Amino acid sequence: SQKIEQNSEALNIQEGKTATLTCNYTNYSPAYLQWYRQDPGRGPVFLLLIRENEKEKRKERLKVTFDTTLKQSLFHITASQPADSATYLCALDLDDKIIFGKGTRLHILP
Amino acid sequence: GAVVSQHPSWVICKSGTSVKIECRSLDFQATTMFWYRQFPKQSLMLMATSNEGSKATYEQGVEKDKFLINHASLTLSTLTVTSAHPEDSSFYICSARDYQSSYNEQFFGPGTRLTVL
Repeated sequence: SQKIEQNSEALNIQEGKTATLTCNYTNYSPAYLQWYRQDPGRGPVFLLLIRENEKEKRKERLKVTFDTTLKQSLFHITASQPADSATYLCALDLDDKIIFGKGTRLHILP
Repeated sequence: GAVVSQHPSWVICKSGTSVKIECRSLDFQATTMFWYRQFPKQSLMLMATSNEGSKATYEQGVEKDKFLINHASLTLSTLTVTSAHPEDSSFYICSARDYQSSYNEQFFGPGTRLTVL
């Protein structure tokens, strides 16, 4: 069966440093991969989408890479700020449905 | 971006009662909406896909008679938790797909916190 793994349940990063989150998947060949942010008690908010034929996508301080050979995506936040503290979810489409990983709780320490 | 609303944002009910949660796409038409459930510190688990004008498609292990879904219009889907029990207490989130967007983006509602006493 298909599986999505986000390697860290929680990650602490010092303010100003780059936070890197990992998403690995098995038994999938997704056309694209998405990253969402979720704050406590809120629904997920879409951040970035990267297609299978794209190696890298950037949006302001965010950068996503997608390696279909390794079946892995990396999500980077540069110059991290305490306001970046949240849970970040990796998601893949499967038959027109979006399936989520468990997420990584990121804490940016001031 | 597009907006999806949910009502109510939270609800507390007694065991055995039924609770209806509404999901609306405010500025776009959504032929397809999705219902998720999220337990504390867990990921969103897809419960069902709601299609306007037709029956919902439920994921394996989700009881269709317990979680009734109605998608009567292009902007409204409802989830009714029938005969709710404490184990149904969870965070329910809907999403709607905007097929007009270049990415077929899926927009999420703010969620509904259900607590069954």
